[in-house]
Amino acid sequence: GESVGLHLPTLSVQEGDNSIINCAYSNSASDYFIWYKQESGKGPQFIIDIRSNMDKRQGQRVTVLLNKTVKHLSLQIAATQPGDSAVYFCAESYYGGSQGNLIFGKGTKLSVKP
Amino acid sequence: KAGVTQTPRYLIKTRGQQVTLSCSPISGHRSVSWYQQTPGQGLQFLFEYFSETQRNKGNFPGRFSGRQFSNSRSEMNVSTLELGDSALYLCASSVTGGGPYEQYFGPGTRLTVT
Repeated sequence: GESVGLHLPTLSVQEGDNSIINCAYSNSASDYFIWYKQESGKGPQFIIDIRSNMDKRQGQRVTVLLNKTVKHLSLQIAATQPGDSAVYFCAESYYGGSQGNLIFGKGTKLSVKP
Repeated sequence: KAGVTQTPRYLIKTRGQQVTLSCSPISGHRSVSWYQQTPGQGLQFLFEYFSETQRNKGNFPGRFSGRQFSNSRSEMNVSTLELGDSALYLCASSVTGGGPYEQYFGPGTRLTVT
């Protein structure tokens, strides 16, 4: 399905390699950040989140790094697998205001070559 | 626990008509947010409901409206459909506990306006 945008930045990696997906966020007041994975025909799926009082958080095979100085977020995927192929979105939120409003980045398409 | 469900999954409408989409959140979740996803604009926040009240609204015209019922189920309505309303409409639910939280997305409703 065409649930994600055309002409997205694409990252192509070999199976087993590490992947790094970058995101620049817009609001310096944002204090909560999330990475989502969206596969074709599905809704976004939560991967990992991080609060602004942290600069690194690790999950299973994934690590999120936050650099508030330059408003940059990255997602590192270790030992990338074909099942990781999807579009990845970063999202930011200012939970001190409304809690239901996530601002999404444009997305990066990850393509894993077997 | 069942995930977020959205009905219908696919919908074709004619310009000028109106449409109602439905979202059933995860049991126990009281917040429901709606997003529009298009290739050109990506994922954009429409509005969020919590305890039957709209808590926040994105930058969409008044033709887009929503409501939430006492069982947390939510509907969104688009009146006087335009071709540009063709999109994937996603709803997301979350437990609102006064801090950052993750949103769980449904599979979306694919609306095509002809």
